Amino acid sequence: SQTIHQWPATLVQPVGSPLSLECTVEGTSNPNLYWYRQAAGRGLQLLFYSVGIGQISSEVPQNLSASRPQDRQFILSSKKLLLSDSGFYLCAWILTGGPGANVLTFGAGSRLTVL
Amino acid sequence: AQSVTQLGSHVSVSEGALVLLRCNYSSSVPPYLFWYVQYPNQGLQLLLKYTSAATLVKGINGFEAEFKKSETSFHLTKPSAHMSDAAEYFCAVSDTGRRALTFGSGTRLQVQP
Repeated sequence: SQTIHQWPATLVQPVGSPLSLECTVEGTSNPNLYWYRQAAGRGLQLLFYSVGIGQISSEVPQNLSASRPQDRQFILSSKKLLLSDSGFYLCAWILTGGPGANVLTFGAGSRLTVL
Repeated sequence: AQSVTQLGSHVSVSEGALVLLRCNYSSSVPPYLFWYVQYPNQGLQLLLKYTSAATLVKGINGFEAEFKKSETSFHLTKPSAHMSDAAEYFCAVSDTGRRALTFGSGTRLQVQP
């Protein structure tokens, strides 16, 4: 069965420090991968998505970047965090065919607090 | 572009009462629609999805939703609320161009004893 792992689960970082959040998927190949952010009291904002290794689409201009060095690995990074980067970051994947197509499956999330 | 609007950021019901969470969508193509549930500090879990088959969709935990094209709505209902239903609920519409989902702002459901 397919599973998705995110880490770390919780992170407290000072302003100006770097960030790396990692997401890996098991049990599937060539998934579409996504990073969403959920700020306090808001819905989910799509940050990045990837349809393959090295292919990253950015949805909003921001202080963050994403990379996909391997088929089932998706990394969210920042060189210098801002206070506004605080939030709950969710990695998700989607099947591109079959009965589960178009259904996003989410990881457990990474809560980032920037102080 | 596709979008969804969830009416009511907070809904409070008594245990055993009907749950109704509202969602209206906007889409230039026949949409795929979804409801997800999020418990505190967790990821989102799929409740149900509409993919152009039956207009009444049954999901997990006794929830169901009805697709009404004439009203561009996809409201979520449950006949009898349980304390464990307290969570945040998100309506979403598929964005075929990005193969992603666009989410509403969410509705927090409180269940009073």
